[in-house]
Amino acid sequence: EDQVTQSPEALRLQEGESSSLNCSYTVSGLRGLFWYRQDPGKGPEFLFTLYSAGEEKEKERLKATLTKKESFLHITAPKPEDSATYLCAVPDNYGQNFVFGPGTRLSVLP
Amino acid sequence: DAGITQSPRHKVTETGTPVTLRCHQTENHRYMYWYRQDPGHGLRLIHYSYGVKDTDKGEVSDGYSVSRSKTEDFLLTLESATSSQTSVYFCAISSSGSNKTQYFGPGTRLLVL
Repeated sequence: EDQVTQSPEALRLQEGESSSLNCSYTVSGLRGLFWYRQDPGKGPEFLFTLYSAGEEKEKERLKATLTKKESFLHITAPKPEDSATYLCAVPDNYGQNFVFGPGTRLSVLP
Repeated sequence: DAGITQSPRHKVTETGTPVTLRCHQTENHRYMYWYRQDPGHGLRLIHYSYGVKDTDKGEVSDGYSVSRSKTEDFLLTLESATSSQTSVYFCAISSSGSNKTQYFGPGTRLLVL
């Protein structure tokens, strides 16, 4: 069974305190790993897609990296506006649908 | 923002009544999806469509049906709502291809009393 796990479940950071979120997956034949940000009361917002081990993508204070079995979302010098739930997802083995992780709830305190 | 709207945005209904949620897109994307999101379960796929009149079941399809008569509209129907279907429902769209990014709508918050 395809599985996606994320850790930690919740993370509280002080403004400027860098950290990383983890996404691990068990689907074979990875066809992309997708990161989303979700604010309370809103739909997930697409951030990045990574396709191969060693690939990195950056957007403002966020950098996503990919290995063969996991991805990291590094947050450098976060600001309170980075507070959100971060979701990762991978296409299932049939390539038709996504399997989502449960998310990491990030709080950045001023 | 991807052109996706959902209606209604909020709904309160009673157990046993039928409910239809609508997803409308202006992107002309082939694939459309319905998810539900619940605490402790994350996003779970209910049904998806890969073209007009082409639909298939997802992980949690029991108690739900869908229809897609036009590219731009994807309807989710709860034939007889139950309290376990209280949830936030998200529609998503994507273009063709196996490595396709899904773009999400704003969600519909449904409460079944």
